[in-house]
Amino acid sequence: QITLKESGPTMVKPTQTLTLTCTVSGFSLSTSGVSVGWIRQPPGKALEWLALIYWDDDKRYSPSLKSRLLVTKDTSKNQVVLIMTNMDPVDTATYYCAQSPVLEWFAFDSWGQGTLVTVSS
Amino acid sequence: EIVLTQSPGTLSLSPGERATLSCRASQSVSSSYLAWYQQKPGQGPRLLIYAASRRATGIPDRFSGSGSGTDFTLTISRLEPEDFAVYYCQQFGSSVCSFGQGTKLEIK
Repeated sequence: QITLKESGPTMVKPTQTLTLTCTVSGFSLSTSGVSVGWIRQPPGKALEWLALIYWDDDKRYSPSLKSRLLVTKDTSKNQVVLIMTNMDPVDTATYYCAQSPVLEWFAFDSWGQGTLVTVSS
Repeated sequence: EIVLTQSPGTLSLSPGERATLSCRASQSVSSSYLAWYQQKPGQGPRLLIYAASRRATGIPDRFSGSGSGTDFTLTISRLEPEDFAVYYCQQFGSSVCSFGQGTKLEIK
């Protein structure tokens, strides 16, 4: 059974850096074709893709947020980490990690439960 | 960056009716990289359709996807009470992923 679980602070202050961890089980981050993405959803709004990391450590970022994002993984710990700098109240959202299992097609077929991050002074 | 536009924004239908949701891309999208998700209040998204027309594991056959190029459709043949939710399309192209703004399917 594949599971993903997000963890990190529930609140950060403006200008601070957010670090979120996605801990996965039921698959390996080094399996060929696997990728893990980060997606967020402000309250009452649509889903927004942030970043993606592949099994081979290749990375992709949302063009509009690229300067503020870093995604890394630790295969031995089964963890994917998202770092977002210079947080602002508009970054208040539920942050999800999700897995796409193969290269032949792309879709997030397993999701974490999400973690709500509030940005406020 | 490919922009996905979903229509309508809100769809009001009754159980038993047929629902047709549209997703239009600003540029051509590979069918292998077009997916649909369902999201209910307080829950995370659930994958319904991948590769434009393939049902994900455990998804009832009343859900179907079709389309190619820039126009894609999610069809629910006969609405069940549990189908009323928000639906998103998503694409991955030119190394960038994007979601549509969603269609809310509500009970009439």
